[in-house]
Amino acid sequence: QEQLVESGGGLVKPGGSLRLSCAASGFTFSDYYMSWIRQAPGKGLEWISYISSTSGTYTKYAESVKGRFTISRDNAKNSLYLQMNSLRGDDTAVYYCAKEGSGGGYIWGQGTMVTVSS
Amino acid sequence: DIVMTQSPESLAVSLGERATINCKSSQSLLYSSNNKNALGWYQQKPGQPPKLLFYWASTRESGVPDRFSGSGSGTDFTLTISSLQTEDVAVYYCHQYYRGSRTFGQGTKVEIK
Repeated sequence: QEQLVESGGGLVKPGGSLRLSCAASGFTFSDYYMSWIRQAPGKGLEWISYISSTSGTYTKYAESVKGRFTISRDNAKNSLYLQMNSLRGDDTAVYYCAKEGSGGGYIWGQGTMVTVSS
Repeated sequence: DIVMTQSPESLAVSLGERATINCKSSQSLLYSSNNKNALGWYQQKPGQPPKLLFYWASTRESGVPDRFSGSGSGTDFTLTISSLQTEDVAVYYCHQYYRGSRTFGQGTKVEIK
């Protein structure tokens, strides 16, 4: 069945960098838009970025991460990435990888925790 | 960006009773090309990722019980649980994917009265 597994989270100091990965299986990865969505502790969901299908030509970012985060994909490896630079305390969250279905609904991974603290 | 506003923030409903959650978008989510609304609903239980309930505002995801229904068009949408069960205790989110940036509502917590 379809599966998304995030990795790469952890503890990082303010101003530091981290790269998240998402391994996809059970579907034709290259056919789908993919997104990163985060959830700060005890808070709601915040969409942060998507990348278009196939070549990944189109990307979009939330204002809160624009210029600091970069989404990318490697279709040969069935993998999605999020490069996070200049991290701040308010970036502390569970980061979810999500597949955007043909109807627009998301299928989610289990998430990876990112903690930004000195 | 499109702003999604859910109401209420929380509600407590007796077992077997109806629960209704509203979601309002700051602009229409209706695609004229296919007459569908770019609106999804998710259920999130503690410690779990969200689970897709509906897409295109009213298309039920496979496996979702039929006591759940999604309705609405344009800027006003509703998620209804016709007969609340204990396993429905969760936070529910609406989500728009109309154009460009995606956004979520702030969530509605559903509890048993």
